[in-house]
Amino acid sequence: DTGVSQNPRHKITKRGQNVTFRCDPISEHNRLYWYRQTLGQGPEFLTYFQNEAQLEKSRLLSDRFSAERPKGSFSTLEIQRTEQGDSAMYLCASSLPRNRETQYFGPGTRLLVL
Amino acid sequence: DQQVKQNSPSLSVQEGRISILNCDYTNSMFDYFLWYKKYPAEGPTFLISISSIKDKNEDGRFTVFLNKSAKHLSLHIVPSQPGDSAVYFCAASASGGYNKLIFGAGTRLAVHP
Repeated sequence: DTGVSQNPRHKITKRGQNVTFRCDPISEHNRLYWYRQTLGQGPEFLTYFQNEAQLEKSRLLSDRFSAERPKGSFSTLEIQRTEQGDSAMYLCASSLPRNRETQYFGPGTRLLVL
Repeated sequence: DQQVKQNSPSLSVQEGRISILNCDYTNSMFDYFLWYKKYPAEGPTFLISISSIKDKNEDGRFTVFLNKSAKHLSLHIVPSQPGDSAVYFCAASASGGYNKLIFGAGTRLAVHP
């Protein structure tokens, strides 16, 4: 299967701990997006990478959040000093660089902060 | 402010009948619209899209209609099948915005025999 993969699929952590999620996009997809989905809502845009460059960040991405895509392939999303409000599904999507290309989503990482 | 709204949280339809899911948007800069389907414990799966230069796009059992003057789009599924039971998200993007998607809250469709 060559779809978008995300690890871990589930993460339970205590408030104040740091967590890191990984996303492996479809190969040759140079666009990579992170979204967050909370219960009863649709996914909300967090940040966008084109190759290794982070070109847009939502105001939802507070100082405790940082995302990287060091070699333009996989990406990591780190949350420092987690809070209960960070509990959500974190989704990664990738697409080809052409305009209006379909974004393909991974299965997500479900985070629960106790 | 919710730029994309799906006002029906749920819809129940009998197998073989038509399912109609609705979506409204407020941002006139949106020019590309998509529908995604989501099963539990999976990521959203792309279904169908439409550009603002069209008012209809069809793919098999799925048709999306766009009414730009009303800022409204709908997804028609006919005939509905039990396997269509899922949460459906409407999404929109604006040109020049790196294609980031703005999603509605979703409509849960249940297709029963």
